[in-house]
Amino acid sequence: QVQLQESGPGLVKPSQTLSLTCTVAGVSISSGGFYWNWVRQHPGKGLEWIGFIYYNGLTYYNPSLKSRLTISVDTSKNHFSLKLSSVTAADTAVYYCARGGFFDPWGPGTLVTVSS
Amino acid sequence: EIVMTQSPVTLSVSPGERATLSCRASQSVSTNLAWYQQKPGQAPRLLIYGASTRATGIPARFSGSGSGTEFTLTISSLQSEDFAVYYCQQYNNWPYTFGQGTKLEIK
Repeated sequence: QVQLQESGPGLVKPSQTLSLTCTVAGVSISSGGFYWNWVRQHPGKGLEWIGFIYYNGLTYYNPSLKSRLTISVDTSKNHFSLKLSSVTAADTAVYYCARGGFFDPWGPGTLVTVSS
Repeated sequence: EIVMTQSPVTLSVSPGERATLSCRASQSVSTNLAWYQQKPGQAPRLLIYGASTRATGIPARFSGSGSGTEFTLTISSLQSEDFAVYYCQQYNNWPYTFGQGTKLEIK
C-alpha cells in the first residue's frame, strides 16, 4: 500500500521560502513509472496543481509559480521536496503531495500559513 | 492552459436519487480526465480516471462518461456519505488543471 506524508513548517514569514517534504512509503520513487506531484488548496477554495518531478529529476512547474518554485527528489531517502520562495499571504494553503498524472494516492495535506 | 469548467456549482439532491455532474474542457483532453471526491478536512480521493474507469474500491454507483471536451460523473443512488465536493481534473496537457468543483448537498 502506497502512502505519502507531507512534512514541514506550518508557519512561514512573508518573503521567506516555504519548504516541504513528501515522504513516500510502500514503493520506491526510483522504480519509475510515476510523476510525483505537489497540489495546493487555498482556504475554502479549489485545487491548484503546483508541479511534478520524476525519479530522474525531470520536472514540470505550473507557469504561474515557475519563477519561485523548485521541486527536487532524493531517491536515497525516498522523498521529494518543494521550495517556494518569496512567499506572501496568497501562498497560505493546504499543500498536498500525490502520485501520478491522475492523482492517487494523496498525502493527508499540511496547512502552511504565511504570516509575520 | 486548459480551463476546466464544472456545473452546477452546487447541486441539491435527495438521498436515493441520481446526481449528474458536468465538466467541460476548453479544448480536447481525449479521455485523460479524472474525478475526485473531497470531504471537509480530508484530502481528495480519486474516483474515476480515464474518464470512465473506477478507481480501486470505488462503488459501482459512481460512473463516468465522456471524451474530448464534455464529461459527466453520475452517482446512481446517493448515499449519505456521497455528499461532498467533486472535482474534475485533466491530465492530457501540462499544466494539469482542475475544475472549480461542484458541491453536492442534501436536499
